[in-house]
Amino acid sequence: RKEVEQDPGPFNVPEGATVAFNCTYSNSASQSFFWYRQDCRKEPKLLMSVYSSGNEDGRFTAQLNRASQYISLLIRDSKLSDSATYLCVVQEYGNKLVFGAGTILRVKS
Amino acid sequence: GAGVSQTPSNKVTEKGKYVELRCDPISGHTALYWYRQSLGQGPEFLIYFQGTGAADDSGLPNDRFFAVRPEGSVSTLKIQRTERGDSAVYLCASSSNAGDSYDGYTFGSGTRLTVV
Repeated sequence: RKEVEQDPGPFNVPEGATVAFNCTYSNSASQSFFWYRQDCRKEPKLLMSVYSSGNEDGRFTAQLNRASQYISLLIRDSKLSDSATYLCVVQEYGNKLVFGAGTILRVKS
Repeated sequence: GAGVSQTPSNKVTEKGKYVELRCDPISGHTALYWYRQSLGQGPEFLIYFQGTGAADDSGLPNDRFFAVRPEGSVSTLKIQRTERGDSAVYLCASSSNAGDSYDGYTFGSGTRLTVV
């Protein structure tokens, strides 16, 4: 079983749609949680951290459920520029980040 | 520099050859990480440096892989007797200090290694 599992997609949505990505992780001792965004042939970039209380950044909302070991990302009012791969990331002991394989989002006009 | 710099951006080498990949982290960042990303996968941890020392090298796949950071800034990832399966994008990242989780990492643009 992979340490971080994501639905690979692709998710094909029209502009303006709301889309949700889910992720599960296996290590209950994981300390911190993130969503990264990766554009084609580019490096990953931090999108947002994820907290148990839930956090929002503009059109993006992230949620963590430690009991279920489940992380989610909601994108509202999708834009063409949101098209990318979204990586679910878990920080384990020390500073080791463990990445999921990513979920591909394609927003169409 | 303003960001993490990796050189070369692309490297094509023949099977069995030796390669070195260089990473220049953000100035002042004490922590440096190497990851490897294969097509369709997320980045996979290789090794983490805190200062000059390797704090965690558990991700290095075998003894053909080695990394150094002699002065606590620039790091070099060295791969001996390259194999076709080593073909991937090698990503370097740095962060300001150990345990600084809230800013995440800043990644370089990577070195695309192709072994033919």
